[in-house]
Amino acid sequence: EAGVTQFPSHSVIEKGQTVTLRCDPISGHDNLYWYRRVMGKEIKFLLHFVKESKQDESGMPNNRFLAERTGGTYSTLKVQPAELEDSGVYFCASTPTLGNGELFFGEGSRLTVL
Amino acid sequence: DAKTTQPTSMDCAEGRAANLPCNHSTISGNEYVYWYRQIHSQGPQYIIHGLKNNETNEMASLIITEDRKSSTLILPHATLRDTAVYYCIVSYQTGGGNKLTFGTGTQLKVEL
Repeated sequence: EAGVTQFPSHSVIEKGQTVTLRCDPISGHDNLYWYRRVMGKEIKFLLHFVKESKQDESGMPNNRFLAERTGGTYSTLKVQPAELEDSGVYFCASTPTLGNGELFFGEGSRLTVL
Repeated sequence: DAKTTQPTSMDCAEGRAANLPCNHSTISGNEYVYWYRQIHSQGPQYIIHGLKNNETNEMASLIITEDRKSSTLILPHATLRDTAVYYCIVSYQTGGGNKLTFGTGTQLKVEL
């Protein structure tokens, strides 16, 4: 069974540009989460999808970040325009509806904004 | 979610048991204790979780005190590949979603 996959693994962009990160959850997992770790800080929750609906987006830092999950399968996280402080590692995780609470994380997408 | 307190770092000799403590004195009655780890540059990996009984799986054992205010993760025979940051997280177990609050964790270094 394939795990959570994220693309790209590393992206380097200039300040002001746009980047879109993609996450493919484990097949059949209705819950999808985005987390991130910015330099020197702790891993922080960004948002939670249940299928295509945003269940909790309390961790989204500002309106430069847009997450979508059309069709309830893969998700994208777009940063537009990117700022220097957006640099970090963005993790995606998924869980099934009737799980034990365990989150399955992807390897992360490292974003570097110059 | 309740806050947890962990030592910043620990060392362990390869082949010995690694005992990682965690304090969660404000845990509520229906909150679970989860342990995750992050091996350098990889995504966090689930290890084990429990409510009040001790738990064991193929990776580790979790010992929770009777008052549930603290717990210990035990890696029975640590290897070099267990070098990682270990996170103790207290959270409600929900079938549909589990928002985790990561702290700073414990950097475990396993040495020869």
